[in-house]
Amino acid sequence: AQSVTQPDIHITVSEGASLELRCNYSYGATPYLFWYVQSPGQGLQLLLKYFSGDTLVQGIKGFEAEFKRSQSSFNLRKPSVHWSDAAEYFCAVGEGGSYIPTFGRGTSLIVHP
Amino acid sequence: NAGVTQTPKFQVLKTGQSMTLQCAQDMNHEYMSWYRQDPGMGLRLIHYSVGAGITDQGEVPNGYNVSRSTTEDFPLRLLSAAPSQTSVYFCASSTTGQGYEKLFFGSGTQLSVL
Repeated sequence: AQSVTQPDIHITVSEGASLELRCNYSYGATPYLFWYVQSPGQGLQLLLKYFSGDTLVQGIKGFEAEFKRSQSSFNLRKPSVHWSDAAEYFCAVGEGGSYIPTFGRGTSLIVHP
Repeated sequence: NAGVTQTPKFQVLKTGQSMTLQCAQDMNHEYMSWYRQDPGMGLRLIHYSVGAGITDQGEVPNGYNVSRSTTEDFPLRLLSAAPSQTSVYFCASSTTGQGYEKLFFGSGTQLSVL
């Protein structure tokens, strides 16, 4: 069965600084990988997803993520963080035919002015 | 488009009471699911459905019942509420649920059981 690890519970950055949120997965074949964002009091919204092809994936709100098979990672990056990016971020992995993606425990992003 | 609608947004129950959390989607999605979110635990799957009349258990099904009589609706029933069921509940839907589809989430129901 697939699993997802987000090693950082909290990340604090200053506004304008760069951001990288880590995600490691465990799955034998090529996984389907996702990043979701949850703003306070809201449901989750998809930022980006990877199925195949180019390992650098562009998403909404200026985010990108890179799939590295050798490291079993799918880290989320943003070159310059805005105060509105403060939220909870979830990495998820899915596999064909399983019906259900597996979510990581989330990373809370705090942005200092 | 309304998307996925959850009601109520907030609910307080006493131990032993029963209630139903409502979830409706207007996107004709086959796959619907219920998650609970607890601090430090991420999202845990309670029950899911791949179509009307078909439901299955997820990771944490105990104490919850579901049914799927229509494509649009997927209510979650708490039979006898316990303090351990205090959580935020999310309903989600997608087109096929084949593991690679985007999930659409409702805005959540915050439940407190006293």
